[in-house]
Amino acid sequence: GAGVSQTPSNKVTEKGKYVELRCDPISGHTALYWYRQSLGQGPEFLIYFQGTGAADDSGLPNDRFFAVRPEGSVSTLKIQRTERGDSAVYLCASRSGTGYTEAFFGQGTRLTVV
Amino acid sequence: AQSVTQPDIHITVSEGASLELRCNYSYGATPYLFWYVQSPGQGLQLLLKYFSGDTLVQGIKGFEAEFKRSQSSFNLRKPSVHWSDAAEYFCAVGAIQAGTALIFGKGTTLSVSS
Repeated sequence: GAGVSQTPSNKVTEKGKYVELRCDPISGHTALYWYRQSLGQGPEFLIYFQGTGAADDSGLPNDRFFAVRPEGSVSTLKIQRTERGDSAVYLCASRSGTGYTEAFFGQGTRLTVV
Repeated sequence: AQSVTQPDIHITVSEGASLELRCNYSYGATPYLFWYVQSPGQGLQLLLKYFSGDTLVQGIKGFEAEFKRSQSSFNLRKPSVHWSDAAEYFCAVGAIQAGTALIFGKGTTLSVSS
């Protein structure tokens, strides 16, 4: 597609439930990033993929968070046993992976845990 | 530690007046600097970026920024603000290598008064 697409745009879930957030990057972009943006804060890095592999997952807050990118394109961020503190906007970005390029961001998924 | 500081949480500027948003960074490698803008409910849009070369960079919507290595700063400026510029502005720093994630500041909210 023309830009980074994230679905759903909004997700409300009950505490303890499992959620999946999807990111469809710009076609051909090999680098994909997930960020989390809490209210009044800047985006915080969660995980970075180069191709199919997670090259850096140092930002994942705990083992309830997991992400995959099985074919090197679409990525899914998975959150198990959601907690109210997980409520935030989850942003995905993609980048061409080489050279002096910027990351392009999707519109984000607003996750609310009630 | 790598970090980005945006000292001003909220700034109000009169329409037509000039604007300067401050950004200071701490980064171990050669920095690669960005300014993004985020309108309510929207994703992050790139305003401008600095990789190397001329330290004064021009961006979209009439914005410019100046990289000052000696001050570790990358301040954003606009000579005449329009009401439509009201939004949240984020400064970010990263490395040239594609695999590194961006580190964002907490953002500055810009309000424009008539």
